[in-house]
Amino acid sequence: GAVVSQHPSWVICKSGTSVKIECRSLDFQATTMFWYRQFPKQSLMLMATSNEGSKATYEQGVEKDKFLINHASLTLSTLTVTSAHPEDSSFYICSARGGTSGRPLKADTQYFGPGTRLTVL
Amino acid sequence: AQSVAQPEDQVNVAEGNPLTVKCTYSVSGNPYLFWYVQYPNRGLQFLLKYITGDNLVKGSYGFEAEFNKSQTSFHLKKPSALVSDSALYFCAVRPGNQGGKLIFGQGTELSVKP
Repeated sequence: GAVVSQHPSWVICKSGTSVKIECRSLDFQATTMFWYRQFPKQSLMLMATSNEGSKATYEQGVEKDKFLINHASLTLSTLTVTSAHPEDSSFYICSARGGTSGRPLKADTQYFGPGTRLTVL
Repeated sequence: AQSVAQPEDQVNVAEGNPLTVKCTYSVSGNPYLFWYVQYPNRGLQFLLKYITGDNLVKGSYGFEAEFNKSQTSFHLKKPSALVSDSALYFCAVRPGNQGGKLIFGQGTELSVKP
């Protein structure tokens, strides 16, 4: 249980284009999802916290107009990198926190997706 | 400031030997503590967590961690390392009243040699 998927797993795009990354909780409902960015051999940097039905909360230094987050349902959050540039190339990882889904889950635990490798040319 | 430190960038262990990956934290209140493992080009897999109760927590794949409040540590351990344990390990802490956010350590690369 507690499976989180991301799509696509990798994407290559031209500078100036926008890229959408989907994060889905497959077998549980997640009221809260998190978006992270990870550079090679480095730790995860939290970008934003996404709550279903409300605006995302962005961490300091993260441009909300550049990284658009939509949490439209209890199982789906999307991150759109708008007008991508080479410096946006990174590994983007989402996580979902187990919420109320009718069965006991580790509600205090974040479950992570497999990540999306974005390369902007 | 709240933080998590993993003092070793890399840990090298021979297969069959015990392993320890260190983690210390600095947060206010009673923290929730987590260990995750990451294989190359993959997301993080949950290993174990401490919220309350017994200081020794057992998790997936034979790993365990010991919460030490006085030393503010949460070291990850395994009695007998496997080559397949080679990966990047992250310690994380969830401070109270911050909406479930996790603060991650910088990661420790574990290398287990045959």
